[in-house]
Amino acid sequence: SAVISQKPSRDICQRGTSLTIQCQVDSQVTMMFWYRQQPGQSLTLIATANQGSEATYESGFVIDKFPISRPNLTFSTLTVSNLSPEDSSIYLCRVGTYNEQFFGPGTRLTVL
Amino acid sequence: QKEVEQNSGPLSVPEGAIASLNCTYSDRVSQSFFWYRQYSGKSPELIMSIYSNGDKEDGRFTAQLNKASQYVSLLIRDSQPSDSATYLCAPTGNQFYFGTGTSLTVIP
Repeated sequence: SAVISQKPSRDICQRGTSLTIQCQVDSQVTMMFWYRQQPGQSLTLIATANQGSEATYESGFVIDKFPISRPNLTFSTLTVSNLSPEDSSIYLCRVGTYNEQFFGPGTRLTVL
Repeated sequence: QKEVEQNSGPLSVPEGAIASLNCTYSDRVSQSFFWYRQYSGKSPELIMSIYSNGDKEDGRFTAQLNKASQYVSLLIRDSQPSDSATYLCAPTGNQFYFGTGTSLTVIP
């Protein structure tokens, strides 16, 4: 299985600011996704991070709010912009193939 | 997003009992599924995948898939307190969407 790291593991931010979350994998992976998990809720897919092209966003998520980069097959970033308390969540990256999917440890974001 | 339904629970079973977790889905294209376990404060951990109709056993875990009924389940035999977690199902594929999860508590 892939070894996945996320930075930061947690952060507390002021409203109106932005936070960039990094996802690093120890091997090249075809698929990389970003999820959000709000308190007490299941996981919601934000977007698919495409290497070399713009991310594909799910309904309800827009690039201006959640810009994503994927410069290569082992790394991606998710930025949560113009933070509000409603953005307080755990953000997770997921990587893998059709048959194997693994999650990073998550980034816990608290917005004051 | 595609519909994946789970009984949110909470489901409580005594230690040593069988825990049964169920998932139904609306997308007939979905052919195989993952089951994840998520401990509180942790990220989901893949525990089982099932790709064909019928049962798949792995230790104390058995996944069951019924494509005609669009139904997938996870049975945990000899439940242990360490099995207490939220269990999530999701269809496999390039992009998949999770059920709401079922919270399981195993009572010592």
